Amino acid sequence: EVVLTQSPGTLSLSPGQRATLSCRASQSLNSYYIAWYQQKPGQAPRLLIYGASRRATGIPDRFSGSGSGAGFTLTISRLEPEDFAVYYCQQYGASPLTFGRGTKVEIK
Amino acid sequence: QVQLQQWGAGLSKPSETLSLTCAVYGGSFNGYYWSWIRQTPGKGLEWMGEIEFGVGTKYNPSLKNRVTMSVDTSKNQFYLKLTSVTAADTAVYYCARGQAAGTFVYFFRFDVWGQGSLVTVSS
Repeated sequence: EVVLTQSPGTLSLSPGQRATLSCRASQSLNSYYIAWYQQKPGQAPRLLIYGASRRATGIPDRFSGSGSGAGFTLTISRLEPEDFAVYYCQQYGASPLTFGRGTKVEIK
Repeated sequence: QVQLQQWGAGLSKPSETLSLTCAVYGGSFNGYYWSWIRQTPGKGLEWMGEIEFGVGTKYNPSLKNRVTMSVDTSKNQFYLKLTSVTAADTAVYYCARGQAAGTFVYFFRFDVWGQGSLVTVSS
């Protein structure tokens, strides 16, 4: 199965700063198959990005995704207080569908 | 706006069958991948499988033939059954709607999620 490795495990930043989250796949994937989610405690994940770079409905433009091959990035241009959460990448370029272990973005 | 509401027993005994239901409100079953995903502190988010109405099912091989998913369109519900559960199956279980484009599931994503159900396996 495709293993997605997210880094760093934890990112300590202040509101207003830029966050750059990495997701590296164990094999090359078509970017069509990469999605990113945000999860807050006690809540289900929320879709942010799909197709590596397409924002889901209602997602602010401070969230952006990029990447190709085996390396993908989620960028939050200026952190808002509500952005402190855990972020997961997901792939379905190969079955079974898999998720990364997440990056926690915490307030510094 | 589509919503998913899920329910089921919160406690299962080892070797028993875990059963969960997910109701779909405000949308059609056709053309989507109705999925179950579970989350544990140890393994994170784990895709269990999907059912595409009128097409079939796909399961995660890691579940070794213990999982069955089905749908009842007359009730707008889909279901998860997991047999021979152990403590390792203790998790928060989510139902979710998968959406994609085309035969090759381009742009696959889970755009709607249930609220999650904590299932504990313990004697």
